Amino acid sequence: QVQLVQSGAEVKKPGASVKVSCKASGYTFTSYYMHWVRQAPGQGLEWMGIINPSGGTTRYAQKFQGRVTMTRDTSTSTVYMELSSLRSEDTAVYYCARGLMGAILPYWGQGTLVTVSS
Amino acid sequence: EIVLTQSPATLSLSPGERATLSCRASQSVSSYLAWYQQKPGQAPRLLIYDASNRATGIPARFSGSGSGTDFTLTISSLEPEDFAIYYCQQRSNWPPITFGQGTRLEIK
Repeated sequence: QVQLVQSGAEVKKPGASVKVSCKASGYTFTSYYMHWVRQAPGQGLEWMGIINPSGGTTRYAQKFQGRVTMTRDTSTSTVYMELSSLRSEDTAVYYCARGLMGAILPYWGQGTLVTVSS
Repeated sequence: EIVLTQSPATLSLSPGERATLSCRASQSVSSYLAWYQQKPGQAPRLLIYDASNRATGIPARFSGSGSGTDFTLTISSLEPEDFAIYYCQQRSNWPPITFGQGTRLEIK
């Protein structure tokens, strides 16, 4: 069965960077896009970007351009999302989600809480 | 970027009642609209994709309809476990994919 297991909660200071991992299993890693979606406390879902694990190509939401980097390691079936220049507004739960037909999201990781606080 | 507007923001109903949730797109998304359910502390769960197709394992009381700019998620008879937040999401013109702001379905 498809499983996406994310790394644990992080606490960061403003201006720092955070790197969240998402380890995939139960399917062919390179066959499906991986999306990153975040959710601030009490707020809705916000799409951050996508990575194609096959070639490593990425597309980012305009809001995060220049601050986010998505990478993958095919040897461990893991994707990573790094967000830099953190500010308090980046406090959120970050999810990876595997795509189906591109942008349908039937499989989600458990979420990683990133807290940005001085 | 396509904006999705959900209504109502909050819907208060009792178990056994019928729930009707709406999602309106700022421009046509054809049938490329999905619905997700989210409970506190959990990741979203895909219910419906491409407007009317139930995802694997989703009970038949959940149904979706619509095309173009106006979509509806219907829960025919509410079960206690259905009280949650529901989001719509479009994939017509992506990236970016966009989500609605959510409808909270609460017990009356």
